[in-house]
Amino acid sequence: DIQMTQFPSALSASVGDRVTITCRASRSVSTYLNWYQQKPGKAPKLLIYSATKLQSGIPSRFSGSGSGTDFTLTISSLQPEDSASYYCHQSFSVPPVTFGQGTTVAIK
Amino acid sequence: QLMQSAAELRKPGASVKVSCQASGYIFSDYGIHWVRQAPGQGLEWMGWISPYNDNTDYARTLQGRVTMTSDTSTSTVSMELRSLTSDDTAIYFCARHSMRYSGSYGAFDIWGQGTVVTVSS
Repeated sequence: DIQMTQFPSALSASVGDRVTITCRASRSVSTYLNWYQQKPGKAPKLLIYSATKLQSGIPSRFSGSGSGTDFTLTISSLQPEDSASYYCHQSFSVPPVTFGQGTTVAIK
Repeated sequence: QLMQSAAELRKPGASVKVSCQASGYIFSDYGIHWVRQAPGQGLEWMGWISPYNDNTDYARTLQGRVTMTSDTSTSTVSMELRSLTSDDTAIYFCARHSMRYSGSYGAFDIWGQGTVVTVSS
């Protein structure tokens, strides 16, 4: 099974800051890496698919990069509504689907 | 969209069946995955089913306790979990796989609202 390691597990930043979350796979997943945002009590929402592609309707301040084993999710200018948990997800080697353990983003 | 059934309360040892009804797209073209989230924890993949041919794959940790089925006449996928323990207390989500006729290489682009399952004596 491919293990996904996400870091940091939590961060706190100010409105307008640039925020970066990292996801590392235990072996290559090519570009089959997706990112989700989840707010408390809600279902996850797809932000980025195939490592770099912005899902329809998602603000352009969200971006993704990487390939192989190392990936990043960047929020270019943090907004109050971005307070949430973020998860990476590999769909290259299935089953099983695997997720990162999540990163909680809080606003200072 | 995906619409899930209402919250459930079960005793340890019992079974639960959660349903997920699809609308707005060709139901048989896209696989449905199930993902659960225990209180305060991350996302755990449970398995998936292809409504096209009823092929399934389940997480090894749930093998023998979980069954996923689909009904094309009602565009509904169901997930049954048996021999429940308190560790199965979680929110259960269904999610559509973004690639047609596949369970891999895509993303989960549409999610149900979640069904809370509580296991308690």
